[in-house]
Amino acid sequence: SAVISQKPSRDICQRGTSLTIQCQVDSQVTMMFWYRQQPGQSLTLIATANQGSEATYESGFVIDKFPISRPNLTFSTLTVSNMSPEDSSIYLCSVDRGTEAFFGQGTRLTVV
Amino acid sequence: GENVEQHPSTLSVQEGDSAVIKCTYSDSASNYFPWYKQELGKRPQLIIDIRSNVGEKKDQRIAVTLNKTAKHFSLHITETQPEDSAVYFCAASMMNDMRFGAGTRLTVKP
Repeated sequence: SAVISQKPSRDICQRGTSLTIQCQVDSQVTMMFWYRQQPGQSLTLIATANQGSEATYESGFVIDKFPISRPNLTFSTLTVSNMSPEDSSIYLCSVDRGTEAFFGQGTRLTVV
Repeated sequence: GENVEQHPSTLSVQEGDSAVIKCTYSDSASNYFPWYKQELGKRPQLIIDIRSNVGEKKDQRIAVTLNKTAKHFSLHITETQPEDSAVYFCAASMMNDMRFGAGTRLTVKP
């Protein structure tokens, strides 16, 4: 199994500000994934982060709003920029070990 | 891209009864179908998975079936217990591209 440390676990932020979420994996992985899970909803893929290249964003998500860094094979950050209440959600990072997906513990973001 | 539909959205059963959750997928190239259980406030955890070259897989009280022709797969939980109460997500995956169903909130009443 993969151990993923994600932080912060929760935050309450003012609208218009930005929050950076960090994920640290216990071993090197090629791809890291960032998901959003709105209250009572499923997991929606935001983007896939590869080390050494630009992240690949899914339809409806843009780099200006959700910039991602992937400085090495064990770490990634997702920034939620210029936040509005609609960004209130749980954000999860994920990695694949074989075909199984492992998730960080999630960041519960509330924008007020 | 892949589209995964999951039914029902909520399911309530009596302890000891069976629960069945069904999913359909759209991309015939998908070849890996995991099921995740997410308890309140926790991360999703894999409970069982099946690959496209297998029709059925069982692990104690949990089983998954796959019909590739019809592009649907199902999760079966027998002898349900209150601790089975959670949200269950199906997913379909091909080449690191995993898409999730909308989730089923299962409640097992003691």
